[in-house]
Amino acid sequence: AQSVTQLGSHVSVSEGALVLLRCNYSSSVPPYLFWYVQYPNQGLQLLLKYTSAATLVKGINGFEAEFKKSETSFHLTKPSAHMRDAAEYFCAVSPFSGGYNKLIFGAGTRLAAHP
Amino acid sequence: ETGVTQTPRHLVMGMTNKKSLKCEQHLGHNAMYWYKQSAKKPLELMFVYSLEERVENNSVPSRFSPECPNSSHLFLHLHTLQPEDSALYLCASSQDEGNSGGTQYFGPGTRLTVL
Repeated sequence: AQSVTQLGSHVSVSEGALVLLRCNYSSSVPPYLFWYVQYPNQGLQLLLKYTSAATLVKGINGFEAEFKKSETSFHLTKPSAHMRDAAEYFCAVSPFSGGYNKLIFGAGTRLAAHP
Repeated sequence: ETGVTQTPRHLVMGMTNKKSLKCEQHLGHNAMYWYKQSAKKPLELMFVYSLEERVENNSVPSRFSPECPNSSHLFLHLHTLQPEDSALYLCASSQDEGNSGGTQYFGPGTRLTVL
């Protein structure tokens, strides 16, 4: 069965510091991978998506993620954190289902950015 | 209106009430989803409709009843709920083209409190 593990339920960084949010997946075939962000009292917004076209995927708000098949990882990074990046981040995998676009989500990582 | 909208945004109901949550997508998609987001739990997929047909029902109690009258609208009818059903209910839509990898777009959610 497909699954997603996000290491660290809470991450705190200083403004201007590197952001690294970890995501590992289990999948028997190369999956589609997603990062979503959820700001307080809002729904989930797509940050970026891996579709096998390129291993380094650039998303919105300066975020990017690198697909590493050998490590079954899809970690999210941003070179310099801003206070406005404080939110919850979800990694998700879309296994091949032959039907609809099923997503399996990780438990989420809450990012806090402090001055 | 653009994207995915949900009404109401907040709902407080007693355990004996009957209420409905509404979701509308303005993206021309053919698949819609209901998720439950509880504190300290991963996102739980509840129901999936593809081409107006229910394709997944993840062991959800019968006090939750979905309805998809057309590809743009999705309802979640609620009756005799329990306090543990209090959560954020998220609706999403995607374009189902017979394989995985399609992006799901989320609404802002309905915050439900059951007294």
